Amino acid sequence: KNQVEQSPQSLIILEGKNCTLQCNYTVSPFSNLRWYKQDTGRGPVSLTIMTFSENTKSNGRYTATLDADTKQSSLHITASQLSDSASYICVVSAKKAGTALIFGKGTTLSVSS
Amino acid sequence: DADVTQTPRNRITKTGKRIMLECSQTKGHDRMYWYRQDPGLGLRLIYYSFDVKDINKGEISDGYSVSRQAQAKFSLSLESAIPNQTALYFCATSDPGQGGNTGELFFGEGSRLTVL
Repeated sequence: KNQVEQSPQSLIILEGKNCTLQCNYTVSPFSNLRWYKQDTGRGPVSLTIMTFSENTKSNGRYTATLDADTKQSSLHITASQLSDSASYICVVSAKKAGTALIFGKGTTLSVSS
Repeated sequence: DADVTQTPRNRITKTGKRIMLECSQTKGHDRMYWYRQDPGLGLRLIYYSFDVKDINKGEISDGYSVSRQAQAKFSLSLESAIPNQTALYFCATSDPGQGGNTGELFFGEGSRLTVL
């Protein structure tokens, strides 16, 4: 069964600290993996996309990694800011007809001052 | 103006009432989706449409129906609302992406529905 598991479920860190969010998947055949950021009361917005051949990709203070062998991805946030407080959702796309998107349940990050 | 617009943003209704949530987009995308978000359950797909003449059920379509009135408009209806349909509903659009797989999803701001 295609599944996406995210950990931790929630996380509280102090402003300025770094953190890493995890995404493990059992989706096959794999097409790509996206991380979305969802601010409270807003729709999710894509942060980055990882394809099979990519190991690391950065978007400002956000760095995503992908290990296709172990089927794991991480999202590392450097020097966190209050505005990073949000839910982060991992979405894996399967290579098949139809929409074929499998959503993780998200990690809720709270950055406190 | 937002690329994906949902109306209404908030709605409180009573059990048994018919409710319509509307979505319009200016992205020019053919693909449109309706998702439901519940605490602890994440986003779940209700219906999706890849063009005006195409409607497909998602994983939780029971109790819902949709209409694709035009490329830019996709509405979700609850024929007889029940309390467990209380949730945050999102419309999204996408292009086909590479190799025909789903590209980046562009979400609306959400419609919060409460069924009493």
